[in-house]
Amino acid sequence: AQKITQTQPGMFVQEKEAVTLDCTYDTSDQSYGLFWYKQPSSGEMIFLIYQGSYDEQNATEGRYSLNFQKARKSANLVISASQLGDSAMYFCAMRPNTGGFKTIFGAGTRLFVKA
Amino acid sequence: DSGVTQTPKHLITATGQRVTLRCSPRSGDLSVYWYQQSLDQGLQFLIQYYNGEERAKGNILERFSAQQFPDLHSELNLSSLELGDSALYFCASSVQGLAGGPTDTQYFGPGTRLTVL
Repeated sequence: AQKITQTQPGMFVQEKEAVTLDCTYDTSDQSYGLFWYKQPSSGEMIFLIYQGSYDEQNATEGRYSLNFQKARKSANLVISASQLGDSAMYFCAMRPNTGGFKTIFGAGTRLFVKA
Repeated sequence: DSGVTQTPKHLITATGQRVTLRCSPRSGDLSVYWYQQSLDQGLQFLIQYYNGEERAKGNILERFSAQQFPDLHSELNLSSLELGDSALYFCASSVQGLAGGPTDTQYFGPGTRLTVL
């Protein structure tokens, strides 16, 4: 079964420190895409970063990087130098190559950044 | 701003009623996706359209229907509304949808918050 698991319902981080949000996935597809989205309290879903299953390098976008470990089927999001504005819900998502290309979302991790 | 627009932003209605949610995709995007986000069920994929045709169906109730018009905007129709339909409804768009494969990034609109009283 295709599945995304985010085991941390909530996390705290001190401002200016780095934080890692965990994401594991399950798929038998060889080709798939992994995504992270941020949902602040205002409700919108903001695309952060993408990693392809065949990408050899870990994706980076500014302060966001994706720690992709294919053998372990994990795609952890690392946020460096946390800011108060990073407080939000974060969703990991997977788009497999089969099953109609439906994107599967995890339950999310709520991140709290402390001043 | 993702470039995806959704109207209305908020909608309050009564049980048994019918509502229509509207979405305009980013310029150049051919695929539109609808999602429902409720507190108890997380983000659930409802349905996808690609260039006017239905391409994928998720956990969409029979009381719900959608369509994508020639100008690529999409509407989600919810009928015989129940209290449990109260949720945040997102529209997302992407360039290619199925043709784009797993690399196709979806960009989300701001959502429509539906409250059924």
